[in-house]
Amino acid sequence: DADVTQTPRNRITKTGKRIMLECSQTKGHDRMYWYRQDPGLGLRLIYYSFDVKDINKGEISDGYSVSRQAQAKFSLSLESAIPNQTALYFCAAGQGNQPQHFGDGTRLSIL
Amino acid sequence: AQSVTQLGSHVSVSEGALVLLRCNYSSSVPPYLFWYVQYPNQGLQLLLKYTSAATLVKGINGFEAEFKKSETSFHLTKPSAHMSDAAEYFCAVSGYGGSQGNLIFGKGTKLSVKP
Repeated sequence: DADVTQTPRNRITKTGKRIMLECSQTKGHDRMYWYRQDPGLGLRLIYYSFDVKDINKGEISDGYSVSRQAQAKFSLSLESAIPNQTALYFCAAGQGNQPQHFGDGTRLSIL
Repeated sequence: AQSVTQLGSHVSVSEGALVLLRCNYSSSVPPYLFWYVQYPNQGLQLLLKYTSAATLVKGINGFEAEFKKSETSFHLTKPSAHMSDAAEYFCAVSGYGGSQGNLIFGKGTKLSVKP
């Protein structure tokens, strides 16, 4: 079983729709992260959480929100999707300065 | 602020040739540095990490990287490329203070391996 699981793997939706991407981890790590990957831009941090009660904005949080429902679950929401949010989204889990473990990504297309 | 620069968005080598992927970092504190690999339609997989121990770090799949503080570099090398090494490679530096553990990524280098 994967350490970090993301659902769905692919999603096509329309402008203005609300979307939720889900992430769960079996590593028992305190920290969870959401990144966005765009071609030629690498990965950029959207939000991160150091524990259930500690949520922080990353580099590009505008237009996104998150919820840490439990230590193992961290979801990302787009309240009103727009086409420039079309991207590959990754969830990761980590502990301190140890390497983060990544999910396989969600490919999101907004028409 | 910390940052990572990867020189060359695309690198092409022949099978059996040396692989050299360049990474320079900026950090005001001793950095933690990482190389990740991304195969098509997959997430990021850790290749190796530098955490202030040995400056030459060995990773998986025959890759290694050398930390050079004087050059602020952490270049990734492999003596002999295989077709299976074709992927995108990301260098990352770990944040500090309140952002400890957060990763700042370079923009990636796509490696192609020619038969």
